[in-house]
Amino acid sequence: DTGVSQDPRHKITKRGQNVTFRCDPISEHNRLYWYRQTLGQGPEFLTYFQNEAQLEKSRLLSDRFSAERPKGSFSTLEIQRTEQGDSAMYLCASSLAPDQETQYFGPGTRLLVL
Amino acid sequence: EDQVTQSPEALRLQEGESSSLNCSYTVSGLRGLFWYRQDPGKGPEFLFTLYSAGEEKEKERLKATLTKKESFLHITAPKPEDSATYLCAVQAPGTYKYIFGTGTRLKVLA
Repeated sequence: DTGVSQDPRHKITKRGQNVTFRCDPISEHNRLYWYRQTLGQGPEFLTYFQNEAQLEKSRLLSDRFSAERPKGSFSTLEIQRTEQGDSAMYLCASSLAPDQETQYFGPGTRLLVL
Repeated sequence: EDQVTQSPEALRLQEGESSSLNCSYTVSGLRGLFWYRQDPGKGPEFLFTLYSAGEEKEKERLKATLTKKESFLHITAPKPEDSATYLCAVQAPGTYKYIFGTGTRLKVLA
């Protein structure tokens, strides 16, 4: 059990560029979650996968955001045409259904949009 | 609307000075309440899961308790290394997402 990993850890981009983040969950965890956290706030839910199926999406996830989890393993979160308001920490978490409700978080990807 | 409120927003303690952090929630039917610790620039680190009123969990200097409307995180004889932001989250029926509070920033002075 090596924990949830995320890549990159930091990303600086210019407004209007596209960015993609990767999350590798704890092995055998079939649920994967994306959250966004801004300074001084708690994480806000973005989307959730069970295996490869995206089962829940927040209204925060605008058309510029898309997430995938091919083959039910790693996941990617893409932001198109980034805006300064997208600057935040993007957190990934995973859990094991159906026995565990506890979500284990990765170290996050900090995005800065200039 | 499901909501989580944490208090105080910030807390400064002297080393050894015990205190409690509060997490109050409004959710129709609690599936679980979760406490996390978060250090600056890092992801939340899991501490406790509580499912039903009256339940208590302990780990080192931390003890979490749960009632029907709130949870407390008690810190006994804290040390400087306990300084962090403590986050509370709830999970409502029919969803797997967490709803987080804004956290309590704890600073323990040596």
